[in-house]
Formats: sequence, C-alpha cells, structure tokens
Amino acid sequence: SYVLTQPPSVSVAPGQTARISCGGNNIGSKTVHWYQQKPGQAPVLVVYDGSDRPSGIPERFSGSNSGNTATLTISRVEAGDEADYYCQVWDGRSDYHIIFGGGTELTVL
Amino acid sequence: QVQLVQSGAEVKKPGASVKVSCRASGYTFSDYYLHWVRQAPGQGLEWMGWIKPNTGGTKYAQNFQGRVTMTRNTYISTAYMELNNLRSDDTAVYYCARDFYNGGSDYWGQGTLVTVSS
Repeated sequence: SYVLTQPPSVSVAPGQTARISCGGNNIGSKTVHWYQQKPGQAPVLVVYDGSDRPSGIPERFSGSNSGNTATLTISRVEAGDEADYYCQVWDGRSDYHIIFGGGTELTVL
Repeated sequence: QVQLVQSGAEVKKPGASVKVSCRASGYTFSDYYLHWVRQAPGQGLEWMGWIKPNTGGTKYAQNFQGRVTMTRNTYISTAYMELNNLRSDDTAVYYCARDFYNGGSDYWGQGTLVTVSS
C-alpha cells in the first residue's frame, strides 16, 4: 500500500518560515491536500490540489508538489499557526484511494 | 451557511455495532461526495470511505471493508456510517466531511466520539 511520510515535529520562531514535508513514491503525480488541526477541533483544509488555497485561508499558506515530496510552506509564522498538519493524497485509480500522512506537530517557539 | 451536524457520543461494548449520522444543510446534499474519517485518541487521521449521495454509491478503505456500511437518506439530507463488530481500537472520534475537490474536504462535522469498552 501507499505510505506518506511526514516529520513528527517542526519548530519555528515567530515571523520565520515553516516548511512541512510529505514524502511518497512519485507523489508529484498525485493530488495532494493539506489540513491544519488544532486540539479538540476538526481539521481545516488549508491547501488543496498541491498549491491552491480555499477561500479564507491566508496567502501565508502555500504548497508545492514534485517528484517524491510535497511541501506545505507557512510564511511569517504566527503563534496561531501552532497546530498539527496533515497531508492527504487522492488517487482514484488506486486501491487505497485516499491516504493521510501521519501528521506533523508545528511548534511556534 | 454549510453545516454538517453529527449525532452524539456513543459507548459500545466489543462486538456491538454503532451507527453515526451526519445531517447536511446549507447546500444541495446530492451534489457533493461525503467522506468519513476517524481519529483515535492522540493519533492521526484515517480515511474510512466515501458515499456519493445522489446514487448511494460507496468506496471503502481496505481496512474497513466487510465491517463498514455507508448509507444516506436524501429526503432528510443525512448520511450514515455503521461500523460492526467493534473492537477497543475502534475507539475514536468519527468525522464526516464534504468533498470539495478530489478528496479534499472543505467542511467537516463536529465529530462523534465512539468509545468501545467492556
């Protein structure tokens, strides 16, 4: 089955840039989405289809997807960005169909 | 405004079944796939499957095939997820979520905690 690998944790100082990776075999050929989840809350879609933002999501959130790695980039990090972040792959041709990465805890120092 | 409202928390014994509902409002129910996703305590997100409300068609994750059934009632804009033969490791928060784009979900229910304990 398909496996997505995320770093368990990433730490960044306020105002700096956070980059969260999501590794998978040939992930660049698949549809990738990113979610933010704060404690006790449902996930929020922050990037879809690799690099697009839903309405209401700040431009500070961006994404890229190529080769074997997709990346969520958060610019000018704020304390309110502290959360767990999950990547998700959709591949309608596959047996697994939808897979989530294990999640990355973003800590704002 | 779009809302997904789920049924309340459940406590079940091992071997029992649970059925969680998800009532949609603020949009045309039949126009969007609905996913079910669960999250065990302190763990990550796990996709369980989707239902296509206009036809009732379903796709289940391999981990749940044979044990999960997703249905819907279009007259009351409600989707259901039933999980059978519950085990302790099925203890989790179960979410429904509206498909926005190829699996990406823009609206989520508030979650339903299912506790499996003897």
